[in-house]
Amino acid sequence: AQKITQTQPGMFVQEKEAVTLDCTYDTSDQSYGLFWYKQPSSGEMIFLIYQGSYDEQNATEGRYSLNFQKARKSANLVISASQLGDSAMYFCAMRGDNQGGKLIFGQGTELSVKP
Amino acid sequence: DGGITQSPKYLFRKEGQNVTLSCEQNLNHDAMYWYRQDPGQGLRLIYYSQIVNDFQKGDIAEGYSVSREKKESFPLTVTSAQKNPTAFYLCASSIGRGQETQYFGPGTRLLVL
Repeated sequence: AQKITQTQPGMFVQEKEAVTLDCTYDTSDQSYGLFWYKQPSSGEMIFLIYQGSYDEQNATEGRYSLNFQKARKSANLVISASQLGDSAMYFCAMRGDNQGGKLIFGQGTELSVKP
Repeated sequence: DGGITQSPKYLFRKEGQNVTLSCEQNLNHDAMYWYRQDPGQGLRLIYYSQIVNDFQKGDIAEGYSVSREKKESFPLTVTSAQKNPTAFYLCASSIGRGQETQYFGPGTRLLVL
């Protein structure tokens, strides 16, 4: 069975500082993808970053980077230089090659950026 | 502008009533998905479709039905058999099979009167 675990229900970070949001996963698939989405209070899910299980380099997208440690089954999101607009829910998700396209989501982490 | 639209933004359902949530995409994506989100929770898959005229049940399909008659459209019907329908419903689409990214619409909030 596939599972995503986000152990931080809420996080605070000072504006302009970096923050790491934790995500661990469990899967029996050999090939899989890991995703991070941002959900502001409006509700829309905004795609942030993707990491493939066979990618040797950690993914980066602007201020977002994914710290992928395959042996530890972790895929932490790092946000550098936090901005007030980063305040939102953040969800880690996984998709296995044998799962018909289904995304499995974690419970989410609520990030609050303090001025 | 390419994207995914969902309507209505808010929907109210009376007891015993079926309601239909609309999802349209102009991204030329083959695959479409419906997810349900309960307060403080992650998303759970209701139904998905990888090609026109074909769809599969997700993890929580009971009380829901879908159709995929056109590539652009994937409506979700919440039937009276769904006893706890109050939730936020999100539609997503992706190019097709594989590790491609799913992109989401703005969502529909369903409330029971």
